[in-house]
Amino acid sequence: DGGITQSPKYLFRKEGQNVTLSCEQNLNHDAMYWYRQDPGQGLRLIYYSQIVNDFQKGDIAEGYSVSREKKESFPLTVTSAQKNPTAFYLCASSPGQMIEKLFFGSGTQLSVL
Amino acid sequence: AQKITQTQPGMFVQEKEAVTLDCTYDTSDPSYGLFWYKQPSSGEMIFLIYQGSYDQQNATEGRYSLNFQKARKSANLVISASQLGDSAMYFCAMRDLGGATNKLIFGTGTLLAVQP
Repeated sequence: DGGITQSPKYLFRKEGQNVTLSCEQNLNHDAMYWYRQDPGQGLRLIYYSQIVNDFQKGDIAEGYSVSREKKESFPLTVTSAQKNPTAFYLCASSPGQMIEKLFFGSGTQLSVL
Repeated sequence: AQKITQTQPGMFVQEKEAVTLDCTYDTSDPSYGLFWYKQPSSGEMIFLIYQGSYDQQNATEGRYSLNFQKARKSANLVISASQLGDSAMYFCAMRDLGGATNKLIFGTGTLLAVQP
């Protein structure tokens, strides 16, 4: 079955540590996205990529970094510069620029030890 | 700037009854799309229904329908014949179809609890 796979499901970060969240899709979609979800809030866009080797900052990119070396993969690194990283992170993809909907992964819950 | 407002933090509904989840939006763009997503406790976001700003008729998908009132800038989700499995968070979202990016802007969500 085609879909988006996020791993791990739960992740713990120590102070000053960088951690990387994985997102893989086999839908052959061009565009991929990372969203952050905090309790009681909607989703906020961190980064997005519309094509391989290209990505743009979203609304809350500070303290995060991404790469898009392959069409299927869009990993998100939460750096030590992100002072409040505890949140639920959702990866999504879409076929291209003109889409009707995003397809989402099942998310990664990141917590700080 | 675009904005989505969901004023109902939580809702209760009896099983088999209909429920309306409110969503209002604000945009200056004439071309936009409106979405509803369901998020069960497992966390994944499930697409429910889509309405384009130029669509003449309200969108329907099975038990889901979107009550689109363009002049009032509202896009309420109507769930008919509620089921226990409908208990979840529901998010309204909007996309600017005329923009260069494909990002969605989300509301804060409504938690729906279906009671037996």
